[in-house]
Amino acid sequence: AQTVTQSQPEMSVQEAETVTLSCTYDTSESDYYLFWYKQPPSRQMILVIRQEAYKQQNATENRFSVNFQKAAKSFSLKISDSQLGDAAMYFCVRSGNTGKLIFGQGTTLQVKP
Amino acid sequence: GAGVSQSPRYKVAKRGQDVALRCDPISGHVSLFWYQQALGQGPEFLTYFQNEAQLDKSGLPSDRFFAERPEGSVSTLKIQRTQQEDSAVYLCASSLLQPREQYFGPGTRLTVT
Repeated sequence: AQTVTQSQPEMSVQEAETVTLSCTYDTSESDYYLFWYKQPPSRQMILVIRQEAYKQQNATENRFSVNFQKAAKSFSLKISDSQLGDAAMYFCVRSGNTGKLIFGQGTTLQVKP
Repeated sequence: GAGVSQSPRYKVAKRGQDVALRCDPISGHVSLFWYQQALGQGPEFLTYFQNEAQLDKSGLPSDRFFAERPEGSVSTLKIQRTQQEDSAVYLCASSLLQPREQYFGPGTRLTVT
């Protein structure tokens, strides 16, 4: 089965500190996209960051950056200078065939003031 | 511009009733996806449209589930003879290009009693 695994059901971080969320995935495709999506308690799913598998350079988006290790099929998310508004469930996601998204189980991030 | 909208936001159905869930994608978005999200879990793919063509319905859990997008814009997900296991949040997402990022609606929370 082509799956996405997030081994950390819950994480917490102190405000202004840095936290890293882990993700591994499985795929037989050579070209695909990886994403981190955020889902706050209001449930609107929001894109945080995107990585194209053919690009070696790690994507960054303001305080958010990824560590993409293609050979290891690893895709972690680092959040720097954590803010209270970062509290949410974070999903690691891989694009599948026909463009459908395959989600991990999610990591609930708590930010402590 | 307007994002993806879904209606109703909440639906309570008695077991055995039929329900219809509506999705209005972002204007001009060719691709439209439906996902089912159980409580505390990641969304799971149901079906995919490119314009009015349903190209993938491999995720529909049973023949009680039916989706359409007759004019290539608004889509409706219909569930016939609802069962308790159908209780979930149903998310709609649209995308301009594949396999790029998808933009999600707020979801419809379906509760079957």
